[in-house]
Amino acid sequence: DAGVIQSPRHEVTEMGQEVTLRCKPISGHDYLFWYRQTMMRGLELLIYFNNNVPIDDSGMPEDRFSAKMPNASFSTLKIQPSEPRDSAVYFCASSWRASNYGYTFGSGTRLTVV
Amino acid sequence: DAKTTQPTSMDCAEGRAANLPCNHSTISGNEYVYWYRQIHSQGPQYIIHGLKNNETNEMASLIITEDRKSSTLILPHATLRDTAVYYCIVRVANTDKLIFGTGTRLQVFP
Repeated sequence: DAGVIQSPRHEVTEMGQEVTLRCKPISGHDYLFWYRQTMMRGLELLIYFNNNVPIDDSGMPEDRFSAKMPNASFSTLKIQPSEPRDSAVYFCASSWRASNYGYTFGSGTRLTVV
Repeated sequence: DAKTTQPTSMDCAEGRAANLPCNHSTISGNEYVYWYRQIHSQGPQYIIHGLKNNETNEMASLIITEDRKSSTLILPHATLRDTAVYYCIVRVANTDKLIFGTGTRLQVFP
């Protein structure tokens, strides 16, 4: 099992540009989570999906952020337009029957907006 | 979700047991205690979880007090590779969200 796969590992973009982060969850997992980590705010839950359906997006900071899960093996987090304060490490995690099992996190995407 | 309180940082000598405390005095009867750790630059890693009984796995032991208001994560023989930030999280049973706090930075020294 290759684990949760995120791409790219690093992304540097200019303010105002669109950024798309990608995640491939572990096969068979039915929950997918997007987190953001910064020094100031720690790990924040942005949104999560169950069976490809968004369940809770209350952590999404603004309308500039959007997430999709078109199928069980792929999800994207898009920022449009990006701003310097969006610079952070973005983690994707997946789990199965989330109520009693731990999440498996990916290695993260380090986003820098200049 | 119940709030957790952890020390900001701790030290432990290599080979000794590391005991990481967590207070969750407002925990409810159906809320689980989860522990994760994050090694520098990596994604958080699941360690262990429990409801009211003590739990042990290949990584660690979790001791939950009888009143469930606090718990301790025990790494029985700490190694340098255990240096990480350890997060104690309380989650309601059958809900899906894990809300991370600030955690304890554990430094294992030779």
